[in-house]
Amino acid sequence: EDKVVQSPLSLVVHEGDTVTLNCSYEVTNFRSLLWYKQEKKAPTFLFMLTSSGIEKKSGRLSSILDKKELFSILNITATQTGDSAVYLCAQGVTGGGNKLTFGTGTQLKVEL
Amino acid sequence: NAGVMQNPRHLVRRRGQEARLRCSPMKGHSHVYWYRQLPEEGLKFMVYLQKENIIDESGMPKERFSAEFPKEGPSILRIQQVVRGDSAAYFCASSLGGLEPQHFGDGTRLSIL
Repeated sequence: EDKVVQSPLSLVVHEGDTVTLNCSYEVTNFRSLLWYKQEKKAPTFLFMLTSSGIEKKSGRLSSILDKKELFSILNITATQTGDSAVYLCAQGVTGGGNKLTFGTGTQLKVEL
Repeated sequence: NAGVMQNPRHLVRRRGQEARLRCSPMKGHSHVYWYRQLPEEGLKFMVYLQKENIIDESGMPKERFSAEFPKEGPSILRIQQVVRGDSAAYFCASSLGGLEPQHFGDGTRLSIL
């Protein structure tokens, strides 16, 4: 079974800090790498990456994929307390309709 | 609200009863996925359905669990004769298919007494 590993497991930072979250994956039929933000309810879609080296950006969040080294990072600049959440990384595979294999997440807490 | 709608939000059942969880996908989405999240664990894939068809059920327990997505109406995840170990959050996601991302509902939190 494909495995997705996220690090760190948890992180506490102060408002204004920049954080980098890591995700490594093992692949047999890689199709896509996705990032989600989960607060108390639904995981909210952030990014989907399919190509190496192309940064995706949305406001203070950005993400990039390295298909050679099998990892992705999610960067958050100028963090705010509203960024506190669990960030989930997931791998989609070819065949089987792109079902997702999730990591256990990084718990981020942003303090004042 | 055009998002993925799940109900009920919370469901309490006694051991041996049946649990039915419902999911209405986003408007225009015909691909539905169910995932289970156990306490302190990540989301685990259960089943992938398109209208009237189960495409991949490789994550479904072999017994007591079933899923459907009829031509009309929501997708249903059915758990018969529930046991304490079925207590979890069950999330539904939908997509347009292909490489389109999956969007999740708020989940149903199932508690077994």
